[in-house]
Amino acid sequence: ETGVTQSPTHLIKTRGQQVTLRCSSQSGHNTVSWYQQALGQGPQFIFQYYREEENGRGNFPPRFSGLQFPNYSSELNVNALELDDSALYLCASSAGPLGPNFSEQFFGPGTRLTVL
Amino acid sequence: AQSVTQPDIHITVSEGASLELRCNYSYGATPYLFWYVQSPGQGLQLLLKYFSGDTLVQGIKGFEAEFKRSQSSFNLRKPSVHWSDAAEYFCAVVSGGGADGLTFGKGTHLIIQP
Repeated sequence: ETGVTQSPTHLIKTRGQQVTLRCSSQSGHNTVSWYQQALGQGPQFIFQYYREEENGRGNFPPRFSGLQFPNYSSELNVNALELDDSALYLCASSAGPLGPNFSEQFFGPGTRLTVL
Repeated sequence: AQSVTQPDIHITVSEGASLELRCNYSYGATPYLFWYVQSPGQGLQLLLKYFSGDTLVQGIKGFEAEFKRSQSSFNLRKPSVHWSDAAEYFCAVVSGGGADGLTFGKGTHLIIQP
């Protein structure tokens, strides 16, 4: 069984640029969540996609957007990058959305984004 | 809004000694509570979770946690730590609706002394 994978591992961008991060969910999982982890902080929830629809969103501006594809892989897009966007971006997949019937989230290793 | 506080940024424990990592949460209803571990360069791994029922939950790697509603706490314990337990530990909570995702504490960095 293949776990959650993310690409790229590391990325360096400059302010104002746009970036796309990718996540392949674990086999059999239909839900992907994205988290931002700044240095020395806990992860912060960005949004969740369930069956290709956004199913919940944290306190992040609209320049953070996402997609989920029919194979349940996902992309996180960030426009107009700011210095504070420098962080580890974690993707987590699960067999269902967060909710009363919580399904365990399995995290990928993350993408380290540096904005100069 | 829900929140999680991990009062200890760093904890140093000797190998073989017992461990307790503290976690306090703020949430109106009964929360779903979790402990995750993150090793350098790795993603987060779930150690254990509490949804309801027995307030003492057992997890992987010999960890356990106790839910105390009266203290709004969910402390993580291990009777005897190993050098491989050195890592960052995160407590997290999610509401029953789940739309806000997991809310994490800032983490506790565990250092193991030989």
